[in-house]
Amino acid sequence: AQKITQTQPGMFVQEKEAVTLDCTYDTSDQSYGLFWYKQPSSGEMIFLIYQGSYDEQNATEGRYSLNFQKARKSANLVISASQLGDSAMYFCAMREDLDNYGQNFVFGPGTRLSVLP
Amino acid sequence: GAVVSQHPSRVICKSGTSVKIECRSLDFQATTMFWYRQFPKQSLMLMATSNEGSKATYEQGVEKDKFLINHASLTLSTLTVTSAHPEDSSFYICSAAGGHLEYSNQPQHFGDGTRLSIL
Repeated sequence: AQKITQTQPGMFVQEKEAVTLDCTYDTSDQSYGLFWYKQPSSGEMIFLIYQGSYDEQNATEGRYSLNFQKARKSANLVISASQLGDSAMYFCAMREDLDNYGQNFVFGPGTRLSVLP
Repeated sequence: GAVVSQHPSRVICKSGTSVKIECRSLDFQATTMFWYRQFPKQSLMLMATSNEGSKATYEQGVEKDKFLINHASLTLSTLTVTSAHPEDSSFYICSAAGGHLEYSNQPQHFGDGTRLSIL
């Protein structure tokens, strides 16, 4: 079963406007972490923001904020004041910590964001 | 910030060649390294997870003898695509993560990826 769902394969936003990228997850663990990554056309994966399952405050990093709704198991990424350079693929990911001290990262299918001038 | 170096960035070679890709964590100890494969316009597909000093755990459908993974130290993991064929052409990307349960805010740090083209 897919653990990370991103229901928007593609999104368009006007430059300088805010946009929300959806992410829902599925886990039975109490301790986990949620991440957002950006992948521009050049291919590298860029870490954007992190939210821990026990964090009470929504994470913020500059223009990025994470709307964390634990009961609904959603971790939407909000980008404020979109810029042309924000055009990229965005992946939501979840880290589960395994009993044997290993880690399991699961990525969603991604959302392609296009910022229009 | 944490840096992961992946080399080479691009490989073009003939069918039947074996190709080795290196992934190094430059400024932290990577207890776990991941190898992903990504097809155009798709998400990352986890191939295997390796913990330093132990055998890699391969995902279902990934051939262990085809994709050899070695994680000999806390800073280096290698992926060798043995006897590569055109269908192995893809974007391969590694990542490294440090820490255990108490450091759950550690993100994966990615290398820049390797574009492999088999002729």
